[in-house]
Amino acid sequence: KQEVTQIPAALSVPEGENLVLNCSFTDSAIYNLQWFRQDPGKGLTSLLLIQSSQREQTSGRLNASLDKSSGRSTLYIAASQPGDSATYLCAVSSLTGANSKLTFGKGITLSVRP
Amino acid sequence: DAGVIQSPRHEVTEMGQEVTLRCKPISGHNSLFWYRQTMMRGLELLIYFNNNVPIDDSGMPEDRFSAKMPNASFSTLKIQPSEPRDSAVYFCASSLASEVWDEQFFGPGTRLTVL
Repeated sequence: KQEVTQIPAALSVPEGENLVLNCSFTDSAIYNLQWFRQDPGKGLTSLLLIQSSQREQTSGRLNASLDKSSGRSTLYIAASQPGDSATYLCAVSSLTGANSKLTFGKGITLSVRP
Repeated sequence: DAGVIQSPRHEVTEMGQEVTLRCKPISGHNSLFWYRQTMMRGLELLIYFNNNVPIDDSGMPEDRFSAKMPNASFSTLKIQPSEPRDSAVYFCASSLASEVWDEQFFGPGTRLTVL
């Protein structure tokens, strides 16, 4: 059974700092990995999607990397801003029998202090 | 586009009552997903539909939970009878493609409290 872990559960940094959010998963037989952002009281917004054959994806100040063999992904946020404060979740997709599954981590709650 | 629409946004009910959550996916999307989010268990996929047909309901916790998608623009998640441990935020998401690994667009969620 796939398990996705995100540690720490919460992180507080000063504005302007570059930071890395970590995600680990137990089964390396994944189809892709996604990073989502969730604002308080809101749904999830997809940030980046990395296919299993890819090593990284970039969007603006965000860069996500994937090391499938070691079961790890990182989300790098450059020059953090207070507006980046949110919960960041990673999710891995894999095949389980005939069905595809999407397994989420519990998220890292990021607070960027002005 | 209005995005995925869920109603109600908040629901407070008493144990034993029937609860119905509603979702309108993005027009043209072929897949619809129901999730439940709690502090203890995080975000869990309950069931998903492709072209209105349930594909995988293995995440539905008990027979008290049921979901329907009578047409491409509407789905319901029903809990009958509800229990306090059902308290959670329930999200609906839709996708243009047919697999869970394709990009999904989430609604704002329904916060359910069962007293």
